[in-house]
Amino acid sequence: DAGVIQSPRHEVTEMGQEVTLRCKPISGHDYLFWYRQTMMRGLELLIYFNNNVPIDDSGMPEDRFSAKMPNASFSTLKIQPSEPRDSAVYFCASSLTGGEAFFGQGTRLTVV
Amino acid sequence: GENVGLHLPTLSVQEGDNSIINCAYSNSASDYFIWYKQESGKGPQFIIDIRSNMDKRQGQRVTVLLNKTVKHLSLQIAATQPGDSAVYFCAETFILTGGGNKLTFGTGTQLKVEL
Repeated sequence: DAGVIQSPRHEVTEMGQEVTLRCKPISGHDYLFWYRQTMMRGLELLIYFNNNVPIDDSGMPEDRFSAKMPNASFSTLKIQPSEPRDSAVYFCASSLTGGEAFFGQGTRLTVV
Repeated sequence: GENVGLHLPTLSVQEGDNSIINCAYSNSASDYFIWYKQESGKGPQFIIDIRSNMDKRQGQRVTVLLNKTVKHLSLQIAATQPGDSAVYFCAETFILTGGGNKLTFGTGTQLKVEL
């Protein structure tokens, strides 16, 4: 398996624009997590899904953030409108029930 | 990718020496604990975990010690190699309804291996 695949690896956008980050989890994994990493706050859990259903989105910063998982092999994290303070590295991770979480390479987002 | 905070603790060791990375956790109800390694530009990578009912677990060149009395976790790396240079995170985890794991990460420690 190629592991968790995220795209794009880098994204630079202007403030106010919509940003969509994509994730393909490891095949067969039933949990999917979105994390954000910044210098100031470290790694923060934003939201996670179980069997494509969002379970806990309490970590999502505000309504500008939304996440979907239309099927078992794809998830998106959308920011609309984006702001400079959203600049961070966004990680997607997946796991089996009871198993360790495998992380993707991350998407480095820069909002100017 | 930059994963080093402005105030990230740094541990410098000589190649071949043993490394000990420490972590304090906050929630005594955590089900188990995991150490992750993050190299520059990559996502965190699982190293080793330990359940809350254990106090020691060994892997290949790594040992994790858990002291629940003082809520302290440590990662020992034997014969540290240049490839061990990375940021190391400890994470508390709770077993979720349905069996998944929710991770809460610590701030991380930068390990630098000097030749």
